[in-house]
Amino acid sequence: AQSVTQPDIHITVSEGASLELRCNYSYGATPYLFWYVQSPGQGLQLLLKYFSGDTLVQGIKGFEAEFKRSQSSFNLRKPSVHWSDAAEYFCAVGEPGGGNKLTFGTGTQLKVEL
Amino acid sequence: GAVVSQHPSWVICKSGTSVKIECRSLDFQATTMFWYRQFPKQSLMLMATSNEGSKATYEQGVEKDKFLINHASLTLSTLTVTSAHPEDSSFYICSAWTASTSTEAFFGQGTRLTVV
Repeated sequence: AQSVTQPDIHITVSEGASLELRCNYSYGATPYLFWYVQSPGQGLQLLLKYFSGDTLVQGIKGFEAEFKRSQSSFNLRKPSVHWSDAAEYFCAVGEPGGGNKLTFGTGTQLKVEL
Repeated sequence: GAVVSQHPSWVICKSGTSVKIECRSLDFQATTMFWYRQFPKQSLMLMATSNEGSKATYEQGVEKDKFLINHASLTLSTLTVTSAHPEDSSFYICSAWTASTSTEAFFGQGTRLTVV
């Protein structure tokens, strides 16, 4: 069965600082990988996704993520964090061809200090 | 991207009553819809997968008689929480998928259910 681990429950960064959120997955083949952001009481917004090809993917709001097969990782990065980025971030794994039935990580709560 | 709408956004109901949550794909036909549940400060857990015109497939540990899912049309799936209890209070989110959007499913905005 597939699984997703987000080792960091909480992360606090200063506005303008760089950010990296970690995500490790367990899956027999190359899965579909996603990063979502959730503001309090809101649904999920897709930041970016990886299916194949270039292992560095660009997303919305200045986010990017890099797929590293050897490390089974798909870490999310942003060079300069804005206060509005404070939210909960979820990494998710989907089975190719599985209609995107997703397995989510436990999430990382990002706080941004002004 | 495609739009998925959930209704209501929040609902409060009394213990013992039933509540229905709707999930609609507004601009595409969804052959498959997924229902997730999210406890406070926790991740999303898949409850069930529903395909239009057939019975839903429930994940292990999810009571199918308590969480009734209907996917009668390609644009609408409903989740009914029957005989609700306070422990059913949670955030419920649906997502919708179809072959034409095969690279991802699209999420609704979620429904906050509080059972008092």
